[in-house]
Amino acid sequence: ETGVTQTPRHLVMGMTNKKSLKCEQHLGHNAMYWYKQSAKKPLELMFVYSLEERVENNSVPSRFSPECPNSSHLFLHLHTLQPEDSALYLCASSHVQGTSIYEQYFGPGTRLTVT
Amino acid sequence: LAKTTQPISMDSYEGQEVNITCSHNNIATNDYITWYQQFPSQGPRFIIQGYKTKVTNEVASLFIPADRKSSTLSLPRVSLSDTAVYYCLVVGQGGKLIFGQGTELSVKP
Repeated sequence: ETGVTQTPRHLVMGMTNKKSLKCEQHLGHNAMYWYKQSAKKPLELMFVYSLEERVENNSVPSRFSPECPNSSHLFLHLHTLQPEDSALYLCASSHVQGTSIYEQYFGPGTRLTVT
Repeated sequence: LAKTTQPISMDSYEGQEVNITCSHNNIATNDYITWYQQFPSQGPRFIIQGYKTKVTNEVASLFIPADRKSSTLSLPRVSLSDTAVYYCLVVGQGGKLIFGQGTELSVKP
């Protein structure tokens, strides 16, 4: 048990749908992350929230909209996605002190398929 | 701009020691170098983290030379269950997190 949960585990959505991915961490961490992992590709960092403030946004299209209401919860709101957005979306959390990032704990991911 | 390079794949046999090296230039001087293991359809799992010289825990060792331009993950006596993808993670200048491309390790009986 990693202490980071993600729901749903699988999601199929059409290009006109709006859906949200949810992540929750029970580890008392102060930073949370969204990653995208396409088939046979490395992890791509999408967003970073530290102390509930977005500190990194890696040129992610606006059809992905993150939300971090508190240090334990992170959402990724999806709308008008494209088929190439199909991937495994991973959430992670960690402790951050100053500029030092300690080990990240990952959730199991949401397997997203856009039809 | 920081960049990482790892071998795409490696093969080994049970009981052997496996060393996976990640080259990383222009990384932040004060941040950790971290390695993760990932099985199919799962999130990555932390293996080991270090700043310099050598770090050892119950599953692996991490060697980091003084110039910090590379790091080597060492897995002693691998087993079939160590078949996975291994990623290095570094922090670039400006605090940007950079994952390596991953090394797919295949352990054979």
